[in-house]
Amino acid sequence: AQSVTQLGSHVSVSEGALVLLRCNYSSSVPPYLFWYVQYPNQGLQLLLKYTSAATLVKGINGFEAEFKKSETSFHLTKPSAHMSDAAEYFCAVTTNSGNTPLVFGKGTRLSVIA
Amino acid sequence: KAGVTQTPRYLIKTRGQQVTLSCSPISGHRSVSWYQQTPGQGLQFLFEYFSETQRNKGNFPGRFSGRQFSNSRSEMNVSTLELGDSALYLCASSSEQGASYNEQFFGPGTRLTVL
Repeated sequence: AQSVTQLGSHVSVSEGALVLLRCNYSSSVPPYLFWYVQYPNQGLQLLLKYTSAATLVKGINGFEAEFKKSETSFHLTKPSAHMSDAAEYFCAVTTNSGNTPLVFGKGTRLSVIA
Repeated sequence: KAGVTQTPRYLIKTRGQQVTLSCSPISGHRSVSWYQQTPGQGLQFLFEYFSETQRNKGNFPGRFSGRQFSNSRSEMNVSTLELGDSALYLCASSSEQGASYNEQFFGPGTRLTVL
């Protein structure tokens, strides 16, 4: 079985500061990992995904994440936070079989302070 | 291209009633997945359909069911509603089989409140 743990249900940063959202996964087989973002009253939107190619994955809106197998982590970063980044962020894991449903973390709400 | 649409957007029901939620995927997408989102449990997978066949089912009671039509539109039904069924129900579509590892495009959700 797979699982995802997102450390910190709420993270607050100043505008222009580094954004770091933590995600640790558990998987008995090589994982595929995702970060999704959810803005208020909207569905989820894919930010980026790791599918066993490059370990540093670049996504939309300046976000990137690094897959670290030894640490079973897939933390999301952005060098400089913008007010528009305020949203809820979800890390998710599945396998490459396509038959295993996505397992989501509980989410991290990001607040950006002016 | 139009995104994933879900109807209705908001719904209020009472305990014991049943409800049907509808999802229209992006044109050309054949895979539809459903998720339940609650503050306590987060996002939980309900089921996935591909070409009218249920390919995967999450750990939910039999009161939760779904189906997919030949035009890929999908419905989910919840019978004998309980207070704990209050949640945001999200539908997501994907262009390929094996939706879990391909990008899923989410609708805005249906907010169900059970009184």
